Amino acid sequence: AQTVTQSQPEMSVQEAETVTLSCTYDTSESDYYLFWYKQPPSRQMILVIRQEAYKQQNATENRFSVNFQKAAKSFSLKISDSQLGDAAMYFCAYRSTDSNYQLIWGAGTKLIIKP
Amino acid sequence: NAGVMQNPRHLVRRRGQEARLRCSPMKGHSHVYWYRQLPEEGLKFMVYLQKENIIDESGMPKERFSAEFPKEGPSILRIQQVVRGDSAAYFCASSPHLNTEAFFGQGTRLTVV
Repeated sequence: AQTVTQSQPEMSVQEAETVTLSCTYDTSESDYYLFWYKQPPSRQMILVIRQEAYKQQNATENRFSVNFQKAAKSFSLKISDSQLGDAAMYFCAYRSTDSNYQLIWGAGTKLIIKP
Repeated sequence: NAGVMQNPRHLVRRRGQEARLRCSPMKGHSHVYWYRQLPEEGLKFMVYLQKENIIDESGMPKERFSAEFPKEGPSILRIQQVVRGDSAAYFCASSPHLNTEAFFGQGTRLTVV
């Protein structure tokens, strides 16, 4: 069975600086999807970025980028130029290619932005 | 296009009562998924429904929990005879097709007292 591990329960960063959130996963599949979701205090689950395992190029979305290391089964999220609005819980999630709803979720990392 | 709408946002029930959680998917979405989030944990899949059909309920407890997605109206997650352990945030997501991204609602926080 697949598992997703986020080893940092909480991280803090100074506003405008860069922070990296860690995620590792375990799977025997060769093709899959990985996601980072943001959950602000409003509890809305917002998709930040997604990566397809067959693509070697790391996904980027504005200030958000990932470091996808398939062999190491690592999928970290880098947030550049951190803003106060980035404060939230961040969840890493895994999905098989044959199931779009059986997302496997990590336990989350709480990101604190210091003004 | 309104997003996925869940209501109520907060629900308090006494042990033994019934809880009904509603989810209206985005317009044009016929696939609905329910997840549960316990404190300090990620989401856990519960059930996947299409209009009038339960496709996969492998993550839903066999007793006291049921879900439906009627032809008209919202999807309903029903928990009978609630217990303290049912206290959690329940999220609904929807998608237009099976293998497209799902969009999440804001969740319903159920507290059992």
